[in-house]
Amino acid sequence: QVQLEQSGAEVKKPGASVKISCKASSDTSLIYGIMWVRQAPGQGLEWMGWISNDNGYTNYAQKLQGRVTMTTDTSTRTAYMELRSLRSDDTAVYYCARRWFGDVVGANCFDIWGQGTLVTVSS
Amino acid sequence: DIQMTQSPSSLSASVGDSITITCRASQSISSFVNWYQQKPGKAPKLLIYAASSLQSGVPSGFSGRGSGTNFTLTISSLRPEDSATYYCQQSFTTPYTFGRGTKVEIK
Repeated sequence: QVQLEQSGAEVKKPGASVKISCKASSDTSLIYGIMWVRQAPGQGLEWMGWISNDNGYTNYAQKLQGRVTMTTDTSTRTAYMELRSLRSDDTAVYYCARRWFGDVVGANCFDIWGQGTLVTVSS
Repeated sequence: DIQMTQSPSSLSASVGDSITITCRASQSISSFVNWYQQKPGKAPKLLIYAASSLQSGVPSGFSGRGSGTNFTLTISSLRPEDSATYYCQQSFTTPYTFGRGTKVEIK
């Protein structure tokens, strides 16, 4: 069973940075890329961006441009998401999810999710 | 950005009922819609991809339809374990935006 295991909860002060890891259980788990999504307390899902594993191409949400960096390390099957200049409204659970193209032509979805990492930003 | 307007925001139904959740895209997105189920404190779970393909292991009571701008998720016979929040997502173009969610409560 393919799994994505995320790093543990973090507490950060405003202005600090956080780097979350997402480790895949198999070599093929990162092959099509990883999406990052966050969820503020009591709120819906917010797409943050995604990274392609084969060439490192990234695409970030406009509102996070300049503060977020997504990377992958194929040697350890681990994806990372770093968010800088943290603010209180960055407090959320952060999820990674595996990109998958399904069993039909034209599919583009995210089938395996990490368990989530709570990041609390507070002074 | 493509907006995904999901409705209703919440609903309450009885075990055995059939319910339908709707997502409307702000522009045509072919069949690039995914549906997820999320229970409290858990990660989202993929139910339907490419608008109508049932993800492996998902009960057959879940179905999706639509193309272009209008999409639906139907649960044909509600079970107690279907109590959750459901989200649509468009994967036609980045940012891969989500609907605001539908909270389904079992009476």
